[in-house]
Amino acid sequence: EAQVTQNPRYLITVTGKKLTVTCSQNMNHEYMSWYRQDPGLGLRQIYYSMNVEVTDKGDVPEGYKVSRKEKRNFPLILESPSPNQTSLYFCASWGKGLADSSYEQYFGPGTRLTVT
Amino acid sequence: DAKTTQPTSMDCAEGRAANLPCNHSTISGNEYVYWYRQIHSQGPQYIIHGLKNNETNEMASLIITEDRKSSTLILPHATLRDTAVYYCIVRPLIRYDKVIFGPGTSLSVIP
Repeated sequence: EAQVTQNPRYLITVTGKKLTVTCSQNMNHEYMSWYRQDPGLGLRQIYYSMNVEVTDKGDVPEGYKVSRKEKRNFPLILESPSPNQTSLYFCASWGKGLADSSYEQYFGPGTRLTVT
Repeated sequence: DAKTTQPTSMDCAEGRAANLPCNHSTISGNEYVYWYRQIHSQGPQYIIHGLKNNETNEMASLIITEDRKSSTLILPHATLRDTAVYYCIVRPLIRYDKVIFGPGTSLSVIP
């Protein structure tokens, strides 16, 4: 089954404590990205990656880092989380499904992060 | 800024067709129109996409105007489970770039 997985699904942490949200896809997609979603603001892209070792900023990259050392994984790193990073985060990959020929974006289930 | 504009919200009676409009007046020749929906706080789900021809799948139909400046997603027989936020985006099929989602349309299907 074509899948994008994220972990953890829920996380409560304190200001300044470094955290990593993992993302993995099983479709051999080159393109992956991270979004955050806040009430009334829709989905805003944080970072995206066009392939291994190739990443670029989206619309709201401040306070986040990413890495793409292998094609299937694209972790999101918050070096020093702050309360304004409390949000719902989605990882996504773009490409063809495992058994389908159409290009589409596959989203993970989301990670709800609370920073106190 | 998003390349698309959609109404903030819409209502539809259960069993009726839901027609969700999207304007994309600055769409480029190589950009496709994609529709996604998000139920509650789940990950957005792909619905359908098209370039210039009308498209239909098991979930919905997509009607794209001849000038490609707007499109309409049609859910032929809306059910309560279709209550969701619907996003219309435009993007190239292959070229990788920033993707911008607007706030979408919140569709409420009413019994």
